[in-house]
Amino acid sequence: DTEVTQTPKHLVMGMTNKKSLKCEQHMGHRAMYWYKQKAKKPPELMFVYSYEKLSINESVPSRFSPECPNSSLLNLHLHALQPEDSALYLCASSQGGTGFSSGANVLTFGAGSRLTVL
Amino acid sequence: AQKVTQAQTEISVVEKEDVTLDCVYETRDTTYYLFWYKQPPSGELVFLIRRNSFDEQNEISGRYSWNFQKSTSSFNFTITASQVVDSAVYFCALRPYSGAGSYQLTFGKGTKLSVIP
Repeated sequence: DTEVTQTPKHLVMGMTNKKSLKCEQHMGHRAMYWYKQKAKKPPELMFVYSYEKLSINESVPSRFSPECPNSSLLNLHLHALQPEDSALYLCASSQGGTGFSSGANVLTFGAGSRLTVL
Repeated sequence: AQKVTQAQTEISVVEKEDVTLDCVYETRDTTYYLFWYKQPPSGELVFLIRRNSFDEQNEISGRYSWNFQKSTSSFNFTITASQVVDSAVYFCALRPYSGAGSYQLTFGKGTKLSVIP
């Protein structure tokens, strides 16, 4: 069983809908990440939270809005998406935060939420 | 700038054959970490190994082994006696140990391995 849980596993939404993706971990990790993965491509980083604060936003369009309510939860709110936003959205977490020497930390990934925008 | 190259896009082998997945990287950092992840069709990225840039010892874990050669900037992954369950996409990734970019995990494009029974 994965230690990072993502819901829902599959989501189909229209371009005018508002939906949310959820991610939960109970490993005490203090860094949490959202990645987007298109078919046959590697994951692309979207956002990073470190100690519940947004530390990295990789120039993601505002129709994606992340939220970290507490150290165990990470949400991705979706609004007015485009068909090209259809992808697998992966959540990950790692120990500590994203401080100066955090490069050794292993990212643990969830199974992803497969999003289809019609 | 960092870059990870996995030149093999797709590999097919017959079960029980050995297979090596290549990974070549570029970085200006002196201390960095290299990773391999497996992504089966279910979608989850599964962590396989982490290696720091100062540790050039090869590592073996069951049927898996890794050959890190700093002189050629390569971190190759060998599966011995492949099994159908090894079918997946394998990603090599690089992360600087420290500095402003240490949050960033740079992935290669992945190698899709198909093991045929």
